[in-house]
Amino acid sequence: GQNIDQPTEMTATEGAIVQINCTYQTSGFNGLFWYQQHAGEAPTFLSYNVLDGLEEKGRFSSFLSRSKGYSYLLLKELQMKDSASYLCAALNSNYQLIWGAGTKLIIKP
Amino acid sequence: GAVVSQHPSWVICKSGTSVKIECRSLDFQATTMFWYRQFPKQSLMLMATSNEGSKATYEQGVEKDKFLINHASLTLSTLTVTSAHPEDSSFYICSARDLLSGEISEQFFGPGTRLTVL
Repeated sequence: GQNIDQPTEMTATEGAIVQINCTYQTSGFNGLFWYQQHAGEAPTFLSYNVLDGLEEKGRFSSFLSRSKGYSYLLLKELQMKDSASYLCAALNSNYQLIWGAGTKLIIKP
Repeated sequence: GAVVSQHPSWVICKSGTSVKIECRSLDFQATTMFWYRQFPKQSLMLMATSNEGSKATYEQGVEKDKFLINHASLTLSTLTVTSAHPEDSSFYICSARDLLSGEISEQFFGPGTRLTVL
């Protein structure tokens, strides 16, 4: 079957760094997406990885290891506005997005 | 970035009535749009894939006669919840891929429609 695993909830301190992990099992693979979703709002795109390695975009970075079926989202210099759910989604061979349940990130002052 | 709109943003209706939700890509064309449902504190659940000019592809367990999807143009898809019941109350979100970007591209999400059925 197809499956995405990510932690349900994480807590971090303002100004710190947090890493949100995601493991995936899909029928074929065409890349991995990370989305941010604030409560009551639709998801917004953060990153897309299809090759192994780290992609850096400002305070956010995303890493992919295809051989391990593993990705992480790294958030630096955390701000209170980063409190949200972070959704990991893998694109399978049929170009369908398989979604994780999301990781709720709580930022404390 | 590309913009997707949804209308209405929220709707409250009586049990047994039908509700139509519109999803529009404002500055790009989308042959494929996706309809999701999200219950509180749960992840997105894909309901169906809407293809312009053809029938929608529904996910397992989603009743196609209850959730009618029409993708009339490259910029508009509609979801009609027929004979809505309280258990249909949820957050409905559409998304679209830019035709020019192909299948390996990000999905742009609409702002969502919160449906409450009394």
